[in-house]
Amino acid sequence: ELKVEQNPLFLSMQEGKNYTIYCNYSTTSDRLYWYRQDPGKSLESLFVLLSNGAVKQEGRLMASLDTKARLSTLHITAAVHDLSATYFCAVDMGMDSNYQLIWGAGTKLIIKP
Amino acid sequence: DVKVTQSSRYLVKRTGEKVFLECVQDMDHENMFWYRQDPGLGLRLIYFSYDVKMKEKGDIPEGYSVSREKKERFSLILESASTNQTSMYLCASTEESRSLYGYTFGSGTRLTVV
Repeated sequence: ELKVEQNPLFLSMQEGKNYTIYCNYSTTSDRLYWYRQDPGKSLESLFVLLSNGAVKQEGRLMASLDTKARLSTLHITAAVHDLSATYFCAVDMGMDSNYQLIWGAGTKLIIKP
Repeated sequence: DVKVTQSSRYLVKRTGEKVFLECVQDMDHENMFWYRQDPGLGLRLIYFSYDVKMKEKGDIPEGYSVSREKKERFSLILESASTNQTSMYLCASTEESRSLYGYTFGSGTRLTVV
């Protein structure tokens, strides 16, 4: 059974600091998604990582994928208050499972001014 | 702009009621999904559909059924609502089985069963 573990589950940090959210998964996969969810809102797609070594950046967020280590990271650089949200990773289970996604529990990020 | 619309943001229903949650997408997407979201558990897949009249069980289908009579509409049905079905329900769609762009989600329906 595929398990997806995010850590930390909760993170409170000061503006201007850097931090990394980790997404570990327990079986082979070559595709991973990162989403953002604001309180009371739906999920917004941030990154789709399509292969080993993939790195994508948007503003202060950078995501990477290491399929050999079964690990993805979401790095936040010089955090600003607007990045406060819950971040989810989701792992593609591949063709045998009709490409279903298995989701992490989410990381609630609070950035204090 | 791509849209997935869920008919209700908030619903309160009584135990034993039959509940319908509606989802409509305007993107001509093949695939549609129903998830429930609970704190600390992430999203769990209830059912999905790859085509009209097609449905597949997800991880937690018990107590739910679905209907997809038209490509743009995917309905989730709680046959006899129970308090443990109190949750946030999210509908999503993708253009193909393995999306290059990620799923597009609706705004969610927060269901309370009393």
